[in-house]
Amino acid sequence: QKEVEQNSGPLSVPEGAIASLNCTYSDRGSQSFFWYRQYSGKSPELIMFIYSNGDKEDGRFTAQLNKASQYVSLLIRDSQPSDSATYLCAVNKSGGYQKVTFGIGTKLQVIP
Amino acid sequence: ETGVTQTPRHLVMGMTNKKSLKCEQHLGHNAMYWYKQSAKKPLELMFVYSLEERVENNSVPSRFSPECPNSSHLFLHLHTLQPEDSALYLCASSQGGTSGRLQETQYFGPGTRLLVL
Repeated sequence: QKEVEQNSGPLSVPEGAIASLNCTYSDRGSQSFFWYRQYSGKSPELIMFIYSNGDKEDGRFTAQLNKASQYVSLLIRDSQPSDSATYLCAVNKSGGYQKVTFGIGTKLQVIP
Repeated sequence: ETGVTQTPRHLVMGMTNKKSLKCEQHLGHNAMYWYKQSAKKPLELMFVYSLEERVENNSVPSRFSPECPNSSHLFLHLHTLQPEDSALYLCASSQGGTSGRLQETQYFGPGTRLLVL
């Protein structure tokens, strides 16, 4: 079982729709969860982080965390072509320095 | 710009060459990381330095040798690499917290695209 699992996609959604990106993780002791966006040929940049069960909203983005199900998701409302990128789920397994494990990433395509 | 710079941005080297990748962070962070990103694979953590001390070495081959002379600079020395080492090498930094939960984000540099012939 992979430590952090994501569907590599591509996930295609029409412009204006809600894009739903999913991630599961194997370590129940995981504490912090991150979503990074990576445009082709660029480095990852942080979109959101979440630590507590429930939803966290920031503009068009909502992160959802369910620790019991070991599941974290990212919703993008009113998707735009500029949202087309690969979205990486990252999980911090322990405290101290940040020992983060990344998923393979889901490629999102927003169709105009 | 994330405040993390990397040089060179592109590097082509033969298997017998020796080269070094450089990373510099201007964020006042105290932890720095090297990652390898290959096609169709997750980001692989190679090395972590916290307060200039190497705290993580994920079974990386000895042909990769990191160096962290101070909290702002990180190097990755390369020698006798193999073609399968061709990848994007990313440097990141973060502000490590005290004991217990660490919440700070990692900020990535633009990466060095390495091709080993």
